[in-house]
Amino acid sequence: KAGVTQTPRYLIKTRGQQVTLSCSPISGHRSVSWYQQTPGQGLQFLFEYFSETQRNKGNFPGRFSGRQFSNSRSEMNVSTLELGDSALYLCASSLRSAGALGDGYTFGSGTRLTVV
Amino acid sequence: AQSVSQHNHHVILSEAASLELGCNYSYGGTVNLFWYVQYPGQHLQLLLKYFSGDPLVKGIKGFEAEFIKSKFSFNLRKPSVQWSDTAEYFCATGGGNKLTFGTGTQLKVEL
Repeated sequence: KAGVTQTPRYLIKTRGQQVTLSCSPISGHRSVSWYQQTPGQGLQFLFEYFSETQRNKGNFPGRFSGRQFSNSRSEMNVSTLELGDSALYLCASSLRSAGALGDGYTFGSGTRLTVV
Repeated sequence: AQSVSQHNHHVILSEAASLELGCNYSYGGTVNLFWYVQYPGQHLQLLLKYFSGDPLVKGIKGFEAEFIKSKFSFNLRKPSVQWSDTAEYFCATGGGNKLTFGTGTQLKVEL
């Protein structure tokens, strides 16, 4: 079966702009999570969606938002970009609930965002 | 909040050496523990997981991990590493509809 697909793979944006990243989960997976990965901070949890509802949110400013559609595809948006937002943004999907009864993630390859 | 800590940030080994990477977790009720690996330029992949049953868990590529409740540990082991095991390894715990990852251990295997 197809894996988790993230588009685009690379993005270069200017400070102050906004960006939208897309994620298509594995077919049948209803939970989609987003992470920010940087060399200094590691993997930081952004938010998780299940059946179009945000169930959990990490400690990020309101400039970071997301949504999930009825087909489980998800988008995340970052407004008013800052240099510090440069990172690899990872999407991960799971069947039900990440962590429950050993239900782990399947990760996408990520979107590399560079803010200049 | 549940968390994990990885004590080794960088590990360098020669091929055929044995590997043990440490992971300690904070107890938050239900145990859900994972090891993920990220090879250079590739996406994160699940190596193995534990949530109940036999505390010795076998994963892919010859890796295993042992859940020791009394020590709050879930260390990753491999008897004999190969150059292709060069990667970053992440321990994670699940709960609250998310996985919380450790800071990662960068493993370099030299020929």
